[in-house]
Amino acid sequence: NAGVTQTPKFQVLKTGQSMTLQCAQDMNHNSMYWYRQDPGMGLRLIYYSASEGTTDKGEVPNGYNVSRLNKREFSLRLESAAPSQTSVYFCASSPPDGWDEQFFGPGTRLTVL
Amino acid sequence: QKEVEQNSGPLSVPEGAIASLNCTYSDRGSQSFFWYRQYSGKSPELIMFIYSNGDKEDGRFTAQLNKASQYVSLLIRDSQPSDSATYLCAASGASGSARQLTFGSGTQLTVLP
Repeated sequence: NAGVTQTPKFQVLKTGQSMTLQCAQDMNHNSMYWYRQDPGMGLRLIYYSASEGTTDKGEVPNGYNVSRLNKREFSLRLESAAPSQTSVYFCASSPPDGWDEQFFGPGTRLTVL
Repeated sequence: QKEVEQNSGPLSVPEGAIASLNCTYSDRGSQSFFWYRQYSGKSPELIMFIYSNGDKEDGRFTAQLNKASQYVSLLIRDSQPSDSATYLCAASGASGSARQLTFGSGTQLTVLP
């Protein structure tokens, strides 16, 4: 099993550009999550999906949209990137019969100029 | 607002010593508690979780939970330089359509050879 995979690993955007961060898991997990991590701020939840076809806002959803394409894939879209969205983005998934533990992908380091 | 508090450190211990990492949480409804290790430039890796009061041991790691005091700790015995990392504490809770984790900002641990 590859676990949770994310693409791309690195990305540089100009202000106003758009892009989609991809996430996939092969562990048959129901719940998936998108976080951003900034220095000194810890992990902050952007959006999450409890199951295929459902998505909900987390703590910091402004400027982002998500799509739960199927059970495996959960994408995060920046429609008009801003310098404040410079961050490291992590996708995570959680098994349906566990204790709420989450498993993380390798992350995408995004810089918006 | 649910909060998880950790001392940001940095915490330095000599090789072979016991490292003690502490965490408090605000939501009395939290059921499970997690310790993640994050090496610089890498994603968080789950190392332990605990859901019952008391101690839980796994190799050199011991997690301790005191729900009355809303306190979680992680002890690392016989610390090694390879344990040098940031340790994130997280608490689970129900909010919206899926279980979520609230993360602390992390404690940076350095083990000195």
